Amino acid sequence: DGGITQSPKYLFRKEGQNVTLSCEQNLNHDAMYWYRQDPGQGLRLIYYSQIVNDFQKGDIAEGYSVSREKKESFPLTVTSAQKNPTAFYLCASSTPETGWETQYFGPGTRLLVL
Amino acid sequence: GQNIDQPTEMTATEGAIVQINCTYQTSGFNGLFWYQQHAGEAPTFLSYNVLDGLEEKGRFSSFLSRSKGYSYLLLKELQMKDSASYLCAVRDSNYQLIWGAGTKLIIKP
Repeated sequence: DGGITQSPKYLFRKEGQNVTLSCEQNLNHDAMYWYRQDPGQGLRLIYYSQIVNDFQKGDIAEGYSVSREKKESFPLTVTSAQKNPTAFYLCASSTPETGWETQYFGPGTRLLVL
Repeated sequence: GQNIDQPTEMTATEGAIVQINCTYQTSGFNGLFWYQQHAGEAPTFLSYNVLDGLEEKGRFSSFLSRSKGYSYLLLKELQMKDSASYLCAVRDSNYQLIWGAGTKLIIKP
């Protein structure tokens, strides 16, 4: 079955530590996105990529980094510069074949700071 | 600035009808989306409106008025499984999605 997978489901970060969240899709979608979701707030875009080896900053990119070496994969690193990383992180993908209209989401990773 | 407003929480009774409103102010408009999100899970796509009017899809309908910057999601014959958050999102002139905070819908028996 096609879909988006994210791992791990829960991730704990110690102070000063970088952590990487995985996102893989087998939908053959060109575009991939990372969002952060905090209680009582809408989804906020961290980074997005519309093609391999290219990505753009979203609204809240500071303290995060990404790579897009393969079409299927778009990992997100939460660096020690991100002072308030506790949140629910969602990865999504879309394709121009549906006019970029619909974003498909992975199950999410909940990041907690120890 | 860009803004999407939705009620924070709504309560409805099983079998009834509920309307969730969304108003928006964005730089440009290239479509409005409704997503459903159960607690702790990923959002799933419900509907897409780009022209004024009503789009019906089974028990769910979505309405758009671009001149008023307004949309609503109408859920009929409510079921307990409809208890979830409903997210409104607008695609702006840069084709980026601007998300509302979501409306938590509580269904009571």
